[in-house]
Amino acid sequence: GAVVSQHPSRVICKSGTSVKIECRSLDFQATTMFWYRQFPKQSLMLMATSNEGSKATYEQGVEKDKFLINHASLTLSTLTVTSAHPEDSSFYICSASGTGNSNYGYTFGSGTRLTVV
Amino acid sequence: QQQVKQSPQSLIVQKGGISIINCAYENTAFDYFPWYQQFPGKGPALLIAIRPDVSEKKEGRFTISFNKSAKQFSLHIMDSQPGDSATYFCAPHSTGFQKLVFGTGTRLLVSP
Repeated sequence: GAVVSQHPSRVICKSGTSVKIECRSLDFQATTMFWYRQFPKQSLMLMATSNEGSKATYEQGVEKDKFLINHASLTLSTLTVTSAHPEDSSFYICSASGTGNSNYGYTFGSGTRLTVV
Repeated sequence: QQQVKQSPQSLIVQKGGISIINCAYENTAFDYFPWYQQFPGKGPALLIAIRPDVSEKKEGRFTISFNKSAKQFSLHIMDSQPGDSATYFCAPHSTGFQKLVFGTGTRLLVSP
């Protein structure tokens, strides 16, 4: 089946620094990738949608300059949290869809727990 | 606005019992009705899904029941096990790789 690998699984960074999270589709071509944010005991909230080779489309209220998304290839998308602050601490999850994905379009990564201290 | 309402918010079931989670939606253009299972610290994983041309789908202990006229679908977990303890999300959508709107989630705890 379709597999999406997300790294790192956990990261702790100092306030003011930037953190990059990678999302890779291992056995299919991810033409579209989605980035979600999840707070404890809450649902997933879509942050942005990215199509390979195009600029990401951000959801209302998501700062595009703080959450930089790059989708330069059909197998890799990255989310960079710039100038991170404690309020950016959250669980970030990517999802990929595309050719060869048998899950009717959506396979999720295992998530990244970001803690900003 | 795509509204997806999920109930209950939390559920405690004894081992061997039946767990039932419901999802109500508004968008009649939805044509794919999945349930996702998420364990703590992990991403969601597709558990079971149904198309609108059938009213029920069963996979092992998991069954989806779909009521198109009521715009509702439900997840039934038969013979619930402690390993089923997780958070369950519905995320109905239109096929074609559009963005998902998740339900609010149901935290299921199956007591031994």
